[in-house]
Amino acid sequence: ETGVTQSPTHLIKTRGQQVTLRCSSQSGHNTVSWYQQALGQGPQFIFQYYREEENGRGNFPPRFSGLQFPNYSSELNVNALELDDSALYLCASSLAGSRGPYEQYFGPGTRLTVT
Amino acid sequence: AQSVTQLDSQVPVFEEAPVELRCNYSSSVSVYLFWYVQYPNQGLQLLLKYLSGSTLVKGINGFEAEFNKSQTSFHLRKPSVHISDTAEYFCAVRATGFQKLVFGTGTRLLVSP
Repeated sequence: ETGVTQSPTHLIKTRGQQVTLRCSSQSGHNTVSWYQQALGQGPQFIFQYYREEENGRGNFPPRFSGLQFPNYSSELNVNALELDDSALYLCASSLAGSRGPYEQYFGPGTRLTVT
Repeated sequence: AQSVTQLDSQVPVFEEAPVELRCNYSSSVSVYLFWYVQYPNQGLQLLLKYLSGSTLVKGINGFEAEFNKSQTSFHLRKPSVHISDTAEYFCAVRATGFQKLVFGTGTRLLVSP
């Protein structure tokens, strides 16, 4: 069973640029959630995708957007990067359906640095 | 809405000593409770979870936690820690029926010889 993978591992961008982060969900999972973890903080929920549709969003501006593909992998896109976007971005996959409670499995994260 | 408070930002302890990491939560609806561990430069690994039933939950690596509904707490304990337990520990809650996890700010456990 393949776990959750994320790419790239590290990324350095300049303020104002755009970035795309990728996540492959664990085999058999159909839901992907994205979290932002700033230095010294707990992860903050960005949004979740279920069957290619956004299914819940946290308190993040519209310049944070995402996609989920038919194979349940996912992308997180951030436009007009700001310095405060520097963080570890975590992807978590789970299996949603009639049976709860849908334990989330996390990937290793992508460390984004905005200069 | 849910919130989580981890009362200690850092807990230093000697190897083989017991440890307790405190977590309190707030929610107007029923929740599931989780503890995750994060080693340096890694993602989150689930230590244990409370879904329902017995309030004492046992997890991996010898950790356990007790759910106390009246005190809205879910403290994590280990009777004897190892150097390898040095990591950041996060308490999290999730409202039943939803998948969004709400995390605390974390407690850094520092185990020294």
